[in-house]
Amino acid sequence: AQTVTQSQPEMSVQEAETVTLSCTYDTSESDYYLFWYKQPPSRQMILVIRQEAYKQQNATENRFSVNFQKAAKSFSLKISDSQLGDAAMYFCAYRSAMGSNFGNEKLTFGTGTRLTIIP
Amino acid sequence: GAGVSQTPSNKVTEKGKYVELRCDPISGHTALYWYRQSLGQGPEFLIYFQGTGAADDSGLPNDRFFAVRPEGSVSTLKIQRTERGDSAVYLCASSLTGGAYGYTFGSGTRLTVV
Repeated sequence: AQTVTQSQPEMSVQEAETVTLSCTYDTSESDYYLFWYKQPPSRQMILVIRQEAYKQQNATENRFSVNFQKAAKSFSLKISDSQLGDAAMYFCAYRSAMGSNFGNEKLTFGTGTRLTIIP
Repeated sequence: GAGVSQTPSNKVTEKGKYVELRCDPISGHTALYWYRQSLGQGPEFLIYFQGTGAADDSGLPNDRFFAVRPEGSVSTLKIQRTERGDSAVYLCASSLTGGAYGYTFGSGTRLTVV
């Protein structure tokens, strides 16, 4: 079974600065997807960024980018120019690429990192 | 609808009672998922529907939990003989095909068993 570990329960960053959230995972599969989700107090999980394991290039979405190290099974999220609206819980998640025929549709989440933005 | 809608937003019930939690996915989304998020934890998978059928129910913790999606749209998660340990936020999500591109989540139902 796959596991996802987020070793930073809490992080804080000054507004407009850059912060990196860590995530490691364990899997024996070679093809999979990795995600970062944001969960504000409204409880709705919002997709921030997605990475396909077979792609070498790190994904970017505006101020959000990832550092994907497949051999090290590491998937960190970098938030540049932090804004007050970035304050939330951030969850890293893993999904097998084997698809629903193999019962692998589920996402496996880490325990989350609470990000605080200091004005 | 424009997003995934979950009702009620909050539910308080007494130990031993039966509860139903409703999820209304985005129109046209064939895949629907239920997750449970306990305090201080990440969401944990419960069940996945493709259309009307439960394609994977391996995450349901025991036979007190059951979910249906009779017409391939709205889904109901049913919990019998509730226990205090069932207290959690129950999240529903939907996607157009599968989860490879991520899901759209609802805001969840916070269930409190007293």
